[in-house]
Amino acid sequence: NAGVMQNPRHLVRRRGQEARLRCSPMKGHSHVYWYRQLPEEGLKFMVYLQKENIIDESGMPKERFSAEFPKEGPSILRIQQVVRGDSAAYFCASSPNDRGSGYTFGSGTRLTVV
Amino acid sequence: DQQVKQNSPSLSVQEGRISILNCDYTNSMFDYFLWYKKYPAEGPTFLISISSIKDKNEDGRFTVFLNKSAKHLSLHIVPSQPGDSAVYFCAASEEGANSKLTFGKGITLSVRP
Repeated sequence: NAGVMQNPRHLVRRRGQEARLRCSPMKGHSHVYWYRQLPEEGLKFMVYLQKENIIDESGMPKERFSAEFPKEGPSILRIQQVVRGDSAAYFCASSPNDRGSGYTFGSGTRLTVV
Repeated sequence: DQQVKQNSPSLSVQEGRISILNCDYTNSMFDYFLWYKKYPAEGPTFLISISSIKDKNEDGRFTVFLNKSAKHLSLHIVPSQPGDSAVYFCAASEEGANSKLTFGKGITLSVRP
C-alpha cells in the first residue's frame, strides 16, 4: 500500500523553463492538495483538487502556475517560465475526505531554479 | 499576515524530560487544529489533532491542549526521546474551508541523549 508518491524528488530548471511536478495519491484517495514551503517558512496552501475538478485555488499565484488532476493519472502542478523565487519544496497531500486529519503527505519535490 | 504563529524557532530538551511546543493563532474561525512532525527530506507526518469543542487530546506520549479564549495551543511530549528530534508544525483549518490547512513556521525540537 504505497503512500503518496511525488516525482521527481529534485528538479533543477533554468530561469524561463517549465517545471512539471507529479503527485500520485494514495489508493482510494480522491482529494489532492498542493503546498509550497519556502526556505525558513511553513507550508503554504496552493490548491485543492478532486478528480477532474479544481475545488479551491485561492493559494495559487495568479500567473504561471496551474494544476490538474485528470480522471486517469497523477495530479500535475505546472510552473511556466520559472523564476528564482519559485525555488522551494512542493508537497502534495491526499485524503479520503475533506478534513485535514486525513492528510497523507508525499516526500515533496525540491525545485531549484538556476 | 501570519494566522498561525510558532514564535520559538527551536527548543532543546534532555531525553526523558517534557517537551512543550507552543502555538498561537489569530483567526477565530479556526475550529480544528493539528500537529505535524517533519524530518529532513521527508513530508510532514500527522501526529495529533484537536477539535475546538475539546480542550485536551491525548495519544500515548503526546498531548495537545487547546485554550480557545487565549487562542493558544500546546503540544506536550512526555517523556521526550532522541527520535522525537524533528521540526514540528502547528496547523489549523476552518469548518467549510475545504480542509485547507494554515501552517505555522515550525519549531525545531532537539532531544539530547
